[in-house]
Amino acid sequence: EAGVTQSPRYAVLQEGQAVSFWCDPISGHDTLYWYQQPRDQGPQLLVYFRDEAVIDNSQLPSDRFSAVRPKGTNSTLKIQSAKQGDTATYLCASSYGGGAGEQYFGPGTRLTVL
Amino acid sequence: GDSVTQTEGQVTVSESKSLIINCTYSATSIAYPNLFWYVRYPGEGLQLLLKVITAGQKGSSRGFEATYNKETTSFHLQKASVQESDSAVYYCALSGTSSGSWQLIFGSGTQLTVMP
Repeated sequence: EAGVTQSPRYAVLQEGQAVSFWCDPISGHDTLYWYQQPRDQGPQLLVYFRDEAVIDNSQLPSDRFSAVRPKGTNSTLKIQSAKQGDTATYLCASSYGGGAGEQYFGPGTRLTVL
Repeated sequence: GDSVTQTEGQVTVSESKSLIINCTYSATSIAYPNLFWYVRYPGEGLQLLLKVITAGQKGSSRGFEATYNKETTSFHLQKASVQESDSAVYYCALSGTSSGSWQLIFGSGTQLTVMP
């Protein structure tokens, strides 16, 4: 069984540039999560979906971040105008059965904003 | 609010020695938190090591164990004899429902280095 896949694995950009991250969850998993993990900190939830619906995006900086999961499978997280403070690893995870299911994590995308 | 605290950012232990990584939690809005230990081995993604959903119970996996202690709000990770292959970053986490949304809250992680 394939795990959670993410691309790209690395991204380096200047402040003000836009970037998108893509996640393909484990087949059959209805719930998908995006986390931000700054260096030397634990992952922090940004947003999560059950199928195509957003369940919780309260921690997503809505002025510059957006996330979609239009068909309830793959998902895209976009940063519209990156800031140095966005430098972090962005993790995608998926589970079956909502938040109570075990979450399986992808390898992450390491973003550096110069 | 709800939080998880890991006081040691880095721990170094010699092979075959015992290990304890401390974890305490605060669950103010989550009524019945589940507790987890996740691990990230070098070059790999974050993966679940063990979980305990009931206070007073112990979870174990790969020689590691942790007991859910509601009185001391602790979930320390222990191993009797570590191996070099245990070198990794370990994250304590809690989960549960808060305001209708499922939360998984991580500590800051502890880098374990096992010396040969």
